[in-house]
Amino acid sequence: DQQVKQNSPSLSVQEGRISILNCDYTNSMFDYFLWYKKYPAEGPTFLISISSIKDKNEDGRFTVFLNKSAKHLSLHIVPSQPGDSAVYFCAASAGGGNQFYFGTGTSLTVIP
Amino acid sequence: KAGVTQTPRYLIKTRGQQVTLSCSPISGHRSVSWYQQTPGQGLQFLFEYFSETQRNKGNFPGRFSGRQFSNSRSEMNVSTLELGDSALYLCASREGANEKLFFGSGTQLSVL
Repeated sequence: DQQVKQNSPSLSVQEGRISILNCDYTNSMFDYFLWYKKYPAEGPTFLISISSIKDKNEDGRFTVFLNKSAKHLSLHIVPSQPGDSAVYFCAASAGGGNQFYFGTGTSLTVIP
Repeated sequence: KAGVTQTPRYLIKTRGQQVTLSCSPISGHRSVSWYQQTPGQGLQFLFEYFSETQRNKGNFPGRFSGRQFSNSRSEMNVSTLELGDSALYLCASREGANEKLFFGSGTQLSVL
């Protein structure tokens, strides 16, 4: 059972515009969420995180929003750059748990 | 600090063989997790080790096993390989609970 879902396998955005990547989860015990970026043949690299006590976290061009009532989080990238083209994974864990649950990823293409 | 190191990067095996993958975590990280990535399936959790003890295990058959040494290095073993075991195997380390994962570049396993 997929507890973390990324329902959009792919997304294309023009350079300079906003990219919005979405993630839904089913387990209300999740309290720590992360976004990772992955290039082909490389391991995922950490982008940004958010704990359930917040509803927004910003780091430069990246902002993550958390809507606990909807069990939904999103990653906003503004402005999008061609180097942002990669697969983005969201992940969640519960109560300092030992396991992170990952979504299936969204492939972002930023068109120059 | 050096990042998470995984060896080998690529591996080709035939059905029925066994394979051992190695992971050296970031210095000071005592937690090591293993994930399997296949197209369309995201990252599936295999297991996590902390101080040489397996703390959590994902939903994989007993052919998948692992261990952690006193220096926190970890190995993962897959016995009686099947075609469906072809995947990118990722190792990740972290300092502690509710800390982000740092991933290695992975081992790409192909089973023929």
